[in-house]
Amino acid sequence: ETAVFQTPNYHVTQVGNEVSFNCKQTLGHDTMYWYKQDSKKLLKIMFSYNNKQLIVNETVPRRFSPQSSDKAHLNLRIKSVEPEDSAVYLCASSWDWGYEQYFGPGTRLTVL
Amino acid sequence: GQQVQQSPASLVLQEGENAELQCNFSTSLNSMQWFYQRPGGSLVSLFYNPSGTKHSGRLTSTTVIKERRSSLHISSSQTTDSGTYLCASGANTGKLTFGHGTILRVHP
Repeated sequence: ETAVFQTPNYHVTQVGNEVSFNCKQTLGHDTMYWYKQDSKKLLKIMFSYNNKQLIVNETVPRRFSPQSSDKAHLNLRIKSVEPEDSAVYLCASSWDWGYEQYFGPGTRLTVL
Repeated sequence: GQQVQQSPASLVLQEGENAELQCNFSTSLNSMQWFYQRPGGSLVSLFYNPSGTKHSGRLTSTTVIKERRSSLHISSSQTTDSGTYLCASGANTGKLTFGHGTILRVHP
């Protein structure tokens, strides 16, 4: 049963545009994450966030930023997309740091 | 930083055979998870297993912390088990470091 929801499923856009992806979890978790899965299928953490702290992977370009309205939502904004941003973006949540993580279905971004 | 090595990279089985997937990590971990990734991309958590052995149906996960390894055993494989299996080790910041995965194909 899905408890981490992501929209949209797919998004195609042009270089330089701004995009925003939504993530909502109904598990009551305090911590949420964004991961990027590249063309080689390797998943890498981008952001870890709860009401105490935002941890940013140092390799993430500044054009990426997480946006949270409450602990159930963590959106991902890309200010000006580049071709290398084409990937699947996966959202996850857990009770706290270090606990089991539950993933959403992902958003596939294609940058033309 | 943490590195996670999975083996084998791919595996082909006949239905009914067993599979043993391995995961080795470079530094001490706070958590360990095994995932199944469907062809469409969604991740299903199979086990959260920081240490010891856990069972779920035909699946068994064993994590030995001091040896920095975890394994996933699939018994009596079925064609519906085909897909990608990912292991990930976690730091106390919640950051999961993923392996490259094992692609499993089970033929009827």
